[in-house]
Amino acid sequence: QSALTQPASVSGSPGQSITISCTGSTSDVGGDIGGYTYVSWYQQYPGKAPKLMIYGVSNRPSGVSNRFSGSKSGITASLTISGLQAEDEADYYCSSYTTNRPYVFGTGTKVTVL
Amino acid sequence: QVQLQESGPGLVKPSQTLSLTCTVSGDSISSGNHYWSWIRQHPGKGLEWIGYIYYTGSVFYNPSNPSLKGRLTMSVDTSKNQFSLKVSSVTAADTAVYYCAREGTMVTTRGAFDMWGQGTTVTVSS
Repeated sequence: QSALTQPASVSGSPGQSITISCTGSTSDVGGDIGGYTYVSWYQQYPGKAPKLMIYGVSNRPSGVSNRFSGSKSGITASLTISGLQAEDEADYYCSSYTTNRPYVFGTGTKVTVL
Repeated sequence: QVQLQESGPGLVKPSQTLSLTCTVSGDSISSGNHYWSWIRQHPGKGLEWIGYIYYTGSVFYNPSNPSLKGRLTMSVDTSKNQFSLKVSSVTAADTAVYYCAREGTMVTTRGAFDMWGQGTTVTVSS
């Protein structure tokens, strides 16, 4: 099963904005079910469980900072972290859910705060 | 506060069966509001969805993972608010951190795992 493609690493200085891309295909990121697109993003610290940061492309769960935002264009989804902070240093994974390719995860991106 | 907790042996011999249980607290599996998944992460690698079970016992296994095909069994015990995973005929390739996770059934929450267990490391070795 081919994973969604993410850059291996992204870095930025405190206060800056960074964007992580997640590229798939029309069968996953670019697809939808009944008009709704199921793209999620997770944050994972070393040795810890992933945490849901974004669902439904751009929705934030309660408690997640509004510095995190999601978007999608075609077969590429993006996670933007604005006002980068030291605590944002972690691994980030995208995920897509469609009828044809349920629960496909991205390759993961390591975010480094310089 | 919803919590998920995996439990099971940390070491399994090759060719034997890996058995894990996820105990849910703060939420009722039998409410029918969620699907309950198993996800694993090989050392230093990304996440891999294994499958989910619904409170009715209905299961959906990853159709795109040939390495797990035919080796999976998931079950649910609503009386104990637990669900379980069995992987038979394990090899070193099944060595991973195994997570249980919750996904909503509503249209807007499908595909999003909003609660996770802390993960349990399973090593396959003789």
